[in-house]
Amino acid sequence: DAKTTQPPSMDCAEGRAANLPCNHSTISGNEYVYWYRQIHSQGPQYIIHGLKNNETNEMASLIITEDRKSSTLILPHATLRDTAVYYCIVRAPYKAAGNKLTFGGGTRVLVKP
Amino acid sequence: DAGVTQSPTHLIKTRGQQVTLRCSPKSGHDTVSWYQQALGQGPQFIFQYYEEEERQRGNFPDRFSGHQFPNYSSELNVNALLLGDSALYLCASNWGGSTDTQYFGPGTRLTVL
Repeated sequence: DAKTTQPPSMDCAEGRAANLPCNHSTISGNEYVYWYRQIHSQGPQYIIHGLKNNETNEMASLIITEDRKSSTLILPHATLRDTAVYYCIVRAPYKAAGNKLTFGGGTRVLVKP
Repeated sequence: DAGVTQSPTHLIKTRGQQVTLRCSPKSGHDTVSWYQQALGQGPQFIFQYYEEEERQRGNFPDRFSGHQFPNYSSELNVNALLLGDSALYLCASNWGGSTDTQYFGPGTRLTVL
């Protein structure tokens, strides 16, 4: 799986959009970008994933650049409960590649009132 | 719809002992993966079980073993515990042994004294 690079930390204001960048310059054409978050001492929570097109669900939006070398997770209206470590993960789709998720250091997001 | 459940929540053991952790997958899921998360780090993949067999393994010694039962629940066993085995142990489940999205349980906090 391709390696990802994320800023170690960032702050954002409550009620504002939070834009979390992720670099995955070595991503292959068939690899997906996944985002999870982990609130202190809890299990990681799935947020969203995508391949080429931008994706949106009830939690967030995922914007993937045309060359797929980077992506941005957008939390449209950050709340204090969004304070967490956010992980960007690149993952191959093939069954033979298995289910291994490779977590990096993630971005520690602090939402401030 | 029950999510992934794990037991126990917390556990304290001494060096050299053996421990068994348990996981019940999310309803409709048949594949279970286990991860170890040391304090301040991202989760590390231990192994995956599908159809009651270990399908993929991370870089963990043979002291770490597992089992999957016909009802898809799983156990993680760790023998000859070391201080360094202290961590949050996470179970994740998905459907079909494929690259379907994994959903995580709350974890078991193991402390080795």
